[in-house]
Amino acid sequence: GNSVTQMEGPVTLSEEAFLTINCTYTATGYPSLFWYVQYPGEGLQLLLKATKADDKGSNKGFEATYRKETTSFHLEKGSVQVSDSAVYFCALSDVNFGNEKLTFGTGTRLTIIP
Amino acid sequence: GAVVSQHPSWVICKSGTSVKIECRSLDFQATTMFWYRQFPKQSLMLMATSNEGSKATYEQGVEKDKFLINHASLTLSTLTVTSAHPEDSSFYICSARDGTLTYNEQFFGPGTRLTVL
Repeated sequence: GNSVTQMEGPVTLSEEAFLTINCTYTATGYPSLFWYVQYPGEGLQLLLKATKADDKGSNKGFEATYRKETTSFHLEKGSVQVSDSAVYFCALSDVNFGNEKLTFGTGTRLTIIP
Repeated sequence: GAVVSQHPSWVICKSGTSVKIECRSLDFQATTMFWYRQFPKQSLMLMATSNEGSKATYEQGVEKDKFLINHASLTLSTLTVTSAHPEDSSFYICSARDGTLTYNEQFFGPGTRLTVL
């Protein structure tokens, strides 16, 4: 079956540091890949997505590239801010009988200190 | 963006009682809603998918009679945990899909923490 493995946290960085959160996946078909972010007390929000190999998703300074050869979708940001503190989930979707099902990683808690 | 609410945000109940959790799409019509369960330090596990007006489709290993799902309208789905036991304590999250969008993005609620004593 499908699975997503992401970097265990928690991750603590200083403001303006470079961020990488690793994510690798296993899928039988050609899934779409996502990063979701969950701020304290809120629901998961879609941060960025990529639907095919070599696509790069980007939003709010975050980027991730769909690498089919390494089955990876690592999240990066060049200079993090305190407001980026949240839990980040990597996920893939697989269309099954017309319903897109999301498979999530375990989440990585990120804390940015001033 | 689209907003999904859940009620209650947390609930404590005694073993053997039933608990109902509501999931509402506030500003769009949700043709499909999803219910997830999240254990501490683990990923979200899909429990079931429900389409408005039809029976829910449950994932393998999820007891249909224990986790009753009703999706009676385009803006409301409910999850009822029947005869709850301590092992049902968890964080339950719903999501909803806006059927009018070209891309089938899921919008998530903030979750409901259930504690069964």
